[in-house]
Amino acid sequence: DTAVSQTPKYLVTQMGNDKSIKCEQNLGHDTMYWYKQDSKKFLKIMFSYNNKELIINETVPNRFSPKSPDKAHLNLHINSLELGDSAVYFCASSRALDTQYFGPGTRLTVL
Amino acid sequence: QKEVEQDPGPLSVPEGAIVSLNCTYSNSAFQYFMWYRQYSRKGPELLMYTYSSGNKEDGRFTAQVDKSSKYISLFIRDSQPSDSATYLCAMIISSGSARQLTFGSGTQLTVLP
Repeated sequence: DTAVSQTPKYLVTQMGNDKSIKCEQNLGHDTMYWYKQDSKKFLKIMFSYNNKELIINETVPNRFSPKSPDKAHLNLHINSLELGDSAVYFCASSRALDTQYFGPGTRLTVL
Repeated sequence: QKEVEQDPGPLSVPEGAIVSLNCTYSNSAFQYFMWYRQYSRKGPELLMYTYSSGNKEDGRFTAQVDKSSKYISLFIRDSQPSDSATYLCAMIISSGSARQLTFGSGTQLTVLP
């Protein structure tokens, strides 16, 4: 009964490929997020969806496209992967009081 | 200058020590303050959450917020080896439906047995 789950846990791929990371939460939260954590452990928000509507879209390349099919899911699709995309990507969710619960992360390595 | 600055560490203390972790911030619009703990190769987990100046205690953990100085701290009493992790401060400006959480860069803590 994992609260926020992500798949895959590890993703190793070649430059130029397109890949997707899936996120699901079973907490009944209305807001979901994607964060990127770089090699120096700095966590930075990328996107936020509230009730399937995009509310935060930080300055990320448009090769990154989030998709929210329903309130419980927020997937991240990345086109034309680059070396600099290598990082750990975390999904999170919250309800109105802003306590965000994080998934276990997806470690992306671009070769 | 980053909006949230955190002492980078790493910090190494003996078991039983009192640990003090600190963050400063520049944006007075931050309303909510949190501390997350992140074990190696895991997602951050919420430790403490507060929105007012003063102290909030939860077991061995005390979160302190001083809005006038734009300074927050997390104290860990009787530190244990299981407390070894990276600690991240985080803050939110809550505006409408946006809940943007800004993190500090994290402090890596090692508690030696």
